[in-house]
Amino acid sequence: QKEVEQNSGPLSVPEGAIASLNCTYSDRGSQSFFWYRQYSGKSPELIMSIYSNGDKEDGRFTAQLNKASQYVSLLIRDSQPSDSATYLCAVNPGGQGAQKLVFGQGTRLTINP
Amino acid sequence: EAGVTQSPTHLIKTRGQQATLRCSPISGHTSVYWYQQALGLGLQFLLWYDEGEERNRGNFPPRFSGRQFPNYSSELNVNALELEDSALYLCASSSKWGEQFFGPGTRLTVL
Repeated sequence: QKEVEQNSGPLSVPEGAIASLNCTYSDRGSQSFFWYRQYSGKSPELIMSIYSNGDKEDGRFTAQLNKASQYVSLLIRDSQPSDSATYLCAVNPGGQGAQKLVFGQGTRLTINP
Repeated sequence: EAGVTQSPTHLIKTRGQQATLRCSPISGHTSVYWYQQALGLGLQFLLWYDEGEERNRGNFPPRFSGRQFPNYSSELNVNALELEDSALYLCASSSKWGEQFFGPGTRLTVL
């Protein structure tokens, strides 16, 4: 079983709609969760961090964490063509603080104008 | 605040040669991580350095090695290059909270 799993997509969403990206993880002791956006040929860019159960909102982005279900998601409201990218879910399996991250394979998102 | 920097941007080598990649972390960050991203694949963890020490190593052969200098910059060395080493090599540094910030990467091509 992969440690961090994401649907590889591609996920196609019309402009202005809500894009929903999902991620599950296997290590129940994980405490820190991150979403990165990666444009083709570029390096990953951190867009959200979440550490507690529930929702965390930042602009058009909302991260949701459910530790009991070992599930973390990212919602993108009012999707724009510039949101088209690969979204990587990353988990710190060792708890909080500096540690290696385990990345999912990424979900490729396409926003259609 | 300056971000993570990496050099060179591109590197072309032939099989059997050695490659050296360099990384400078964000000021104040002491941890540096190296990842490999082969074309179309996910990020694979290579090495983690903190305070000059190797803290963790991914599932890569010993010909992948590195070090961290007293100013927290780091270099990754890949010996006896193979064709499958062609990839984007990413360096990241982290705050004490574990958020990792990536540099622009070095694209290594092995011919």
